[in-house]
Amino acid sequence: EIVLTQSPGTLSLSPGERATLSCRASQSVSSSYLAWYQQKPGQAPRLLIYGASSRATGIPDRFSGSGSGTDFTLTISRLEPEDFAVYYCQQYGSSPLLTFGGGTKVEIK
Amino acid sequence: QVQLQESGPGLVKPSETLSLTCAVSGYSISSGYYWGWIRQPPGKGLEWIGSIYHSGSTYYNPSLKSRVTISVDTSKNQFSLKLSSVTAADTAVYYCARVAAMGVYYWGQGTLVTVSS
Repeated sequence: EIVLTQSPGTLSLSPGERATLSCRASQSVSSSYLAWYQQKPGQAPRLLIYGASSRATGIPDRFSGSGSGTDFTLTISRLEPEDFAVYYCQQYGSSPLLTFGGGTKVEIK
Repeated sequence: QVQLQESGPGLVKPSETLSLTCAVSGYSISSGYYWGWIRQPPGKGLEWIGSIYHSGSTYYNPSLKSRVTISVDTSKNQFSLKLSSVTAADTAVYYCARVAAMGVYYWGQGTLVTVSS
């Protein structure tokens, strides 16, 4: 069973700064099946990145994803006020079908 | 526009069975994709519960497998979750979703289910 570990748990940054979020898998994950989500309080998660590096429909280009194998990164180039939220990585596999990381909270410094 | 809407009791007693239904509009379940349930305890992260293919094939989280049943009703374009022998640890927001290898793009709004006597 694949375990996804996200770090840091909390990232304290100011608007305009760059955010770098990490997702590490306990075993190799196909890049095609690694996704990132943003979740704000009281809302369902929103798909940001799929296939490790492809932006979902309507996602601004300040969000980018990279990585392969066991190490993946979500980068927000310049934080906007609406980007302060919790971010999850997720992998799609055979069993279990879906695994989520524990999340990284990006908070205003 | 694909839309999903969860429905079911918001309060379930300990040891009883939690039952939720997800109505899908804007897409026919019979056309494909996995359809699944994901939950989130208050203040915690996301946990995949299980998924069902339109043909009826199911996949469950191993940690919940003994208590979970997911079924599909293509005639009503909906799918359902049953979680038996619930405890307080099953208190969570339950989301239904369309699951794809590329990610979960469509989510329901979520419904809070509280387990309490």
